[in-house]
Amino acid sequence: KQEVTQIPAALSVPEGENLVLNCSFTDSAIYNLQWFRQDPGKGLTSLLLIQSSQREQTSGRLNASLDKSSGRSTLYIAASQPGDSATYLCAVLGGKLIFGQGTELSVKP
Amino acid sequence: GAVVSQHPSRVICKSGTSVKIECRSLDFQATTMFWYRQFPKKSLMLMATSNEGSKATYEQGVEKDKFLINHASLTLSTLTVTSAHPEDSSFYICSARVSDYGGTYNEQFFGPGTRLTVL
Repeated sequence: KQEVTQIPAALSVPEGENLVLNCSFTDSAIYNLQWFRQDPGKGLTSLLLIQSSQREQTSGRLNASLDKSSGRSTLYIAASQPGDSATYLCAVLGGKLIFGQGTELSVKP
Repeated sequence: GAVVSQHPSRVICKSGTSVKIECRSLDFQATTMFWYRQFPKKSLMLMATSNEGSKATYEQGVEKDKFLINHASLTLSTLTVTSAHPEDSSFYICSARVSDYGGTYNEQFFGPGTRLTVL
């Protein structure tokens, strides 16, 4: 059974800092891995999708890596801004899309 | 990306009533849709997989007679919470999967969610 774990559960950083969010999964037989952003009381916004054959994806200040063999992914956020404050969820797609518990990020001005 | 809508965005109902939530894929056809439930400060829990033209597949522990799912067309799936009780209060999110013919590309797009409060 696939299990997805995200560390840390919460993170508070000053504006401008670069940061890394971690995601690990137990079953490497996946189609892809997605990183989502969720604002309080809202739905999910897809940030990056990495296919199982890829190593990383970049979008603006975001960079996500995938090491399928070790069951790990990282989301790197450069030059963080208060608007980046949200919960970040990673999810892996095998037969089903399984989510981690999320990392609640707070970027202080 | 593909757009998925949900209606209503928020509903408050009395205990014992039934509530229907609609999920639509606006610019693509989805043979498979998914229903998730999210508790405060918690992650998304998959409730069921909705297949167009056939019965939904429920996850372990989810009461299929409580949460009725109908996927009547390639763009619409509905979730009906029957005889709702306060413990059914939650945030319900639907998702639709886009796949290529070879099955090598799969991506899920999510609706904005429905906040259900049962008094």
